[in-house]
Amino acid sequence: EDQVTQSPEALRLQEGESSSLNCSYTVSGLRGLFWYRQDPGKGPEFLFTLYSAGEEKEKERLKATLTKKESFLHITAPKPEDSATYLCAVDWYGGYQKVTFGTGTKLQVIP
Amino acid sequence: EPEVTQTPSHQVTQMGQEVILRCVPISNHLYFYWYRQILGQKVEFLVSFYNNEISEKSEIFDDQFSVERPDGSNFTLKIRSTKLEDSAMYFCASSEQGAEGQPQHFGDGTRLSIL
Repeated sequence: EDQVTQSPEALRLQEGESSSLNCSYTVSGLRGLFWYRQDPGKGPEFLFTLYSAGEEKEKERLKATLTKKESFLHITAPKPEDSATYLCAVDWYGGYQKVTFGTGTKLQVIP
Repeated sequence: EPEVTQTPSHQVTQMGQEVILRCVPISNHLYFYWYRQILGQKVEFLVSFYNNEISEKSEIFDDQFSVERPDGSNFTLKIRSTKLEDSAMYFCASSEQGAEGQPQHFGDGTRLSIL
């Protein structure tokens, strides 16, 4: 059973068209939920950490929120340079010294 | 901004050969990790390393794999006898503290191609 599920798999937006990406997790004992951005041929680039339900973090056009079973990455008025794959990962007590990644949402923003 | 650096960016190796992938973690970080990503699939944990020993490893990290911190700055992943299915992107990561909700910072990876 997947512990981290992201949806949609792919998302195509017009420039300026706001939307949200979803990450749902089934682990218990969450220590942290991370959002990363990954460009083609590159490593994951750290964006945010969320620790507890109700927490929100913002960076430019991105805002991440967390509930007890899922997280959302809201993209407001996206630009073409926001095109990338967005990865969600969880750190949980049963995971010991590793994080578990979802499969990602590939975002394409069209001018 | 400090970053994790990995070399080489691309390694092509014949099946059965040994390969060593190198990483320089962020200088004040104490925890080190290797992950891999097969094309089109998710990032998968291989191993974590702290205080000169393995903290945890996944079922992927079998006897063909080993890690080492040969000096104060480098962290290496060795695959003893490569297989075709070892072809993937290999990412090194480091964190200031152990997982406990601390973000891991990744390098840009080494693309390993096994022929």
